[in-house]
Amino acid sequence: EAQVTQNPRYLITVTGKKLTVTCSQNMNHEYMSWYRQDPGLGLRQIYYSMNVEVTDKGDVPEGYKVSRKEKRNFPLILESPSPNQTSLYFCASSLSIGGEETQYFGPGTRLLVL
Amino acid sequence: AQSVTQLGSHVSVSEGALVLLRCNYSSSVPPYLFWYVQYPNQGLQLLLKYTTGATLVKGINGFEAEFKKSETSFHLTKPSAHMSDAAEYFCAVRDNTGGFKTIFGAGTRLFVKA
Repeated sequence: EAQVTQNPRYLITVTGKKLTVTCSQNMNHEYMSWYRQDPGLGLRQIYYSMNVEVTDKGDVPEGYKVSRKEKRNFPLILESPSPNQTSLYFCASSLSIGGEETQYFGPGTRLLVL
Repeated sequence: AQSVTQLGSHVSVSEGALVLLRCNYSSSVPPYLFWYVQYPNQGLQLLLKYTTGATLVKGINGFEAEFKKSETSFHLTKPSAHMSDAAEYFCAVRDNTGGFKTIFGAGTRLFVKA
């Protein structure tokens, strides 16, 4: 079954304690992205990757890091989380062929930073 | 810079009535345009995507959207609403120059009355 998995699904942490949210896809997609969703703001792209070792900033990259060492994995790293990073996070993967695009989103990770 | 404005954070329609969700965009280069749906407590699902060519794009679940360059709009419609269409809908824009940076609107929550 084609899917994007995220772990953990729920996380409560404290300010400054480094954390990593994992994202994995089993479809051999080249494109992967991280988004955060906040009420009234919709989704905002944090980082994206167009292939292994190729990453770029989205709209709100401050306070986040990513890496793409393997095609299937795209972890999101918060080196020193702050309360304003409390949010719902989604990972997504995409395949684009001739203008047609297939996208899959993960189930989301709800993060609370105290 | 790109931006997306979704007119109306909440839209309510009766079952069987026309659904019209409005989206206006701003982009300095020809855009790719998207509509996504998010059902309660779920991830996002791609409804449809405009790239180039035909300005009327058909998507899943009976939805379609029309790209109007002169109005910088990409409104989403469905002729007859079903109860199962109740969800949040997001419009998004990406430039078509090869990058993957994507800007989302704030979302429109659709309510369907029986």
